[in-house]
Amino acid sequence: DTEVTQTPKHLVMGMTNKKSLKCEQHMGHRAMYWYKQKAKKPPELMFVYSYEKLSINESVPSRFSPECPNSSLLNLHLHALQPEDSALYLCASSQFLSGATSYEQYFGPGTRLTVT
Amino acid sequence: AQSVTQPDIHITVSEGASLELRCNYSYGATPYLFWYVQSPGQGLQLLLKYFSGDTLVQGIKGFEAEFKRSQSSFNLRKPSVHWSDAAEYFCAVNTNAGKSTFGDGTTLTVKP
Repeated sequence: DTEVTQTPKHLVMGMTNKKSLKCEQHMGHRAMYWYKQKAKKPPELMFVYSYEKLSINESVPSRFSPECPNSSLLNLHLHALQPEDSALYLCASSQFLSGATSYEQYFGPGTRLTVT
Repeated sequence: AQSVTQPDIHITVSEGASLELRCNYSYGATPYLFWYVQSPGQGLQLLLKYFSGDTLVQGIKGFEAEFKRSQSSFNLRKPSVHWSDAAEYFCAVNTNAGKSTFGDGTTLTVKP
């Protein structure tokens, strides 16, 4: 199984709402990633988890709160978002992070988020 | 810090014609290079990767890429394009810490 799944596919939320995005993989990967992608732009890295611990936070605003409850699951909790946060949110996974080499990432289909 | 440049924002080719998408990178150490393809509203799919060894790498869907260290380039090629290849193509470079930097992408349009 080389699939990364993401739910929901689409999400519309108001600026006062709290919602969560979910990502799951069953490839035994120990590194998981959140990206934000605006239209016609490349993905921008938000967070990286390695062995369920937060490894990289790219200075993301605190209204985005990641969580990695186990090696297969990655959540992104959303609270008090702004309209400019509307984007495609992509999850990815890779074997693990190593100081010696790098591994390709497998991406999910994304969650299309609209903040009204 | 690493960076990736894809000089061509948009390329149009006729179906059956050959394709080359350009990618230049900047990174101080050994680069880990990737090409991804993204169809509208979808996630990214890995086409191929270069870590070390043979500088000509083969990928899925008939794509190949050549790593040229002297030119800091990793260009993607396909000998005969199919209409289903129309998509957005991203070149990326990884660090050892797993941080990926993507180019701005090249939109490929295929004319019938």
